[in-house]
Formats: sequence, structure tokens, C-alpha cells
Amino acid sequence: RKEVEQDPGPFNVPEGATVAFNCTYSNSASQSFFWYRQDCRKEPKLLMSVYSSGNEDGRFTAQLNRASQYISLLIRDSKLSDSATYLCVVTPNTGGFKTIFGAGTRLFVKA
Amino acid sequence: GAVVSQHPSRVICKSGTSVKIECRSLDFQATTMFWYRQFPKQSLMLMATSNEGSKATYEQGVEKDKFLINHASLTLSTLTVTSAHPEDSSFYICSARDQGFEQYFGPGTRLTVT
Repeated sequence: RKEVEQDPGPFNVPEGATVAFNCTYSNSASQSFFWYRQDCRKEPKLLMSVYSSGNEDGRFTAQLNRASQYISLLIRDSKLSDSATYLCVVTPNTGGFKTIFGAGTRLFVKA
Repeated sequence: GAVVSQHPSRVICKSGTSVKIECRSLDFQATTMFWYRQFPKQSLMLMATSNEGSKATYEQGVEKDKFLINHASLTLSTLTVTSAHPEDSSFYICSARDQGFEQYFGPGTRLTVT
């Protein structure tokens, strides 16, 4: 089983739609969680951190479910510019602090 | 936000030569930097973790003698691809972590070995 698993997609949605991604992780000791966005042929950029209480940033909402070991990202009112690959990132709080990246979920928002 | 630069952004070299890639944290000190490789349409693959002042920790399957990493200061890490071959052609990305757990990525270096 992969340490971090994501549905690769692609998700094809029309503008204005709401879309949700899930990501599961296998290490129950994981402490820090993030969503990154990566555009084609570009480096990943931090989209948002994910807290136990959940957090919201504009049209984006991230949730963490420790009991089921998954995190989610909800995008409301999708824009064309949201088209990208969304990477789920998990950092175990152990020595070395190695960060584990999911393979990413591709999103295409169409007019 | 924190800024990480990478140089060069693009390099083409002949098979058998060595290429050095620099990664710099511009406005913060990074005790840990990471080097990743990404092939087209594939996910980021961690190659090694670089800690300032100590030897890098390489992931399984990554040859430490081929991919030389030096982290001489809190703001600079270098990756040298030695005796490059066409199969080393890839997108190499570094990232730097500040005191938190967030990572900030450099813009990447696209290496093409002919």
C-alpha cells in the first residue's frame, strides 16, 4: 500500500462546479498535512495547510479525518484557472521529517 | 512568502558530462533541503534529503556517487549529476523547509542529456 494515495483523475468539471478530492495516508503517526498545486511543467506551490479543525481559504476548504486517515480538498465555484494537479502531502512527525507526496489528482475545468 | 531559487532553469549537456544545479533559499534559513526528480506525467520522487553541515540522506535506488549533494550553508544546496546519461533527463526540483513543516519549492531545472 502506498503511503499516500490519491485518485489520479482526471476530474473534468464545468466552470462553477464544486469538486472534491480525497487523499488517504497509511502512517497514523503523521502530523502535518498540506495540499499543493502543480501546474504543467512548473514547481508545486503550497495551496493550504490542513488542520484538525479544518480550514477554509476563499473557495477552498480542507478537512482532516484522523480516525479514517484521510484529508480532503473541496473547491467551490471552479474557475478555469483552477485547472492543475493537486498534490496531497503528508509529513510524519518522526526523525528526518521526510515529506511524502501523493501522485496528484488532475483537474480540468472547462468553460 | 518564502522564496527558493534554482539555477540553471534549463540545461542541455552531452552524455558523460557533469551538471551542477544550485538551490538557494533567498529570505530564510533552511536547515533542510530536499531534491526531487519528476519525469513527464509522473509524480515527484524524492531523491535525497540534504541537511546543512552533514551528509545527505539518499532514497533507496538513488546512487549517491552519481547524484552528489552538498549543503554547505543554511541557504545553499547543490546537486551535481555526474557522468550524465540520457536517462537522467528529467525535471529536478529542490525544496527548502523553514522551521515549520511547510516546504517551498524552487522553480525547477529541466535537464536534457543528449
